[in-house]
Order: sequence, then structure tokens, then C-alpha cells
Amino acid sequence: GENVEQHPSTLSVQEGDSAVIKCTYSDSASNYFPWYKQELGKRPQLIIDIRSNVGEKKDQRIAVTLNKTAKHFSLHITETQPEDSAVYFCAASITGGATNKLIFGTGTLLAVQP
Amino acid sequence: ETGVTQTPRHLVMGMTNKKSLKCEQHLGHNAMYWYKQSAKKPLELMFVYSLEERVENNSVPSRFSPECPNSSHLFLHLHTLQPEDSALYLCASSQDQQWGNTEAFFGQGTRLTVV
Repeated sequence: GENVEQHPSTLSVQEGDSAVIKCTYSDSASNYFPWYKQELGKRPQLIIDIRSNVGEKKDQRIAVTLNKTAKHFSLHITETQPEDSAVYFCAASITGGATNKLIFGTGTLLAVQP
Repeated sequence: ETGVTQTPRHLVMGMTNKKSLKCEQHLGHNAMYWYKQSAKKPLELMFVYSLEERVENNSVPSRFSPECPNSSHLFLHLHTLQPEDSALYLCASSQDQQWGNTEAFFGQGTRLTVV
């Protein structure tokens, strides 16, 4: 089955710096890669996603890159702000078969120091 | 609100009790999921239902029993749980299509404590 690894597990940056979180997946059939943000005590919420037919996607301060050959994808946050502090999860999803299912990475706790 | 509602928000139960967690979605989605969130495994997939049919049981012990009576409701029946089952149980839904997933919307979760 699919396995998603995520690094680092914790990341501390100064306000205004960039943050990068990396994930690798095992199943080459995966074709949908979302990123979720979970603030303390709240539910995970989608912040950006990318499909396998695209190499990069950007939305304001966040961007995601995908390297299908290497089977890894990354989240980039620029000009970080204290409100970016949260746990970030990457996920991979396989299309086809009976259904699709999201397999999540182990999460990255991002702390933005003011 | 994401359109996915879970009840109860908090639950404390003894190891011999039987309880149920409920999830309801009003988004018209055709797939629903149970995830377990704990310190050891932050978002662990437990069950997947697609069009009310269970399509995934991710090696979950039989003391967890899911039920999906219709596309809007999902239950997780619990019995003879162990203290290590204490965790946040998250329900999610999405609109599965042939070309792939769409965004998964999560409920607020049920914080379960087994004593």
C-alpha cells in the first residue's frame, strides 16, 4: 500500500523567513497530493493541492512542487507569519480501484517565532 | 463550519462500555472516512466508505465497528476498548470521482478517553 514520509517533524523559523516541508510517497500510481494545516485544537483544513499532471502550483505565499520521477513533493511557505504556526500534513491519494483514499504523512509542527 | 459534524465532541468510557461516535455531512459527498489521530500516528486511516459500501479496513481491530447507513451518516461503534485507543477520532468526507479525490473536509473530531 501507499506510504507517505514527511520531514522534518518539527520546524522553527523566524518571522519573515521561508519554510520548506518535504514528503515522499511510495506508490507511483498516486496522482493527487494535498496539504492540510491543523491549528491547535482545530480540524485539518486543505491549504493547497497539486495533481500529477502539474509540476508546481502557487497560491500567494504558499507553493507546492511535485517531482514524479523522484516521488517527492514539497510545501514552500514564504514570508512566514506567526499565524502560520500549526501542524502541516501532506497526503497522497491513489485513483482507481474501488475508491480513492488519502494517506497522510506524519505531520510537521511549524513554529514561527515573532 | 466545514459541513461535517461529529458528536460527541468528548467521550470518556470504561473498557467494558459500548459507545458510538457519529458523523454527519451535508455536502453531498459520496465518500466518508474515519481517521485516528494520536501522538504516535498523527493521521491514521481506519475505514473508507464509498457510496455506503466499506472499501477499506486498514487493519483495524474488531473492537472498532463502522456503519454507514446512508451517504450522509457514518458511525463508529466502540466496545471493549483499551486505554491505548484513547485518541482524537476524525471523520472526513470527499467527493470521489474517477479521476481522483477532491478536497477532504474534516469534522471537529471526538476526543476519546478510555479509562
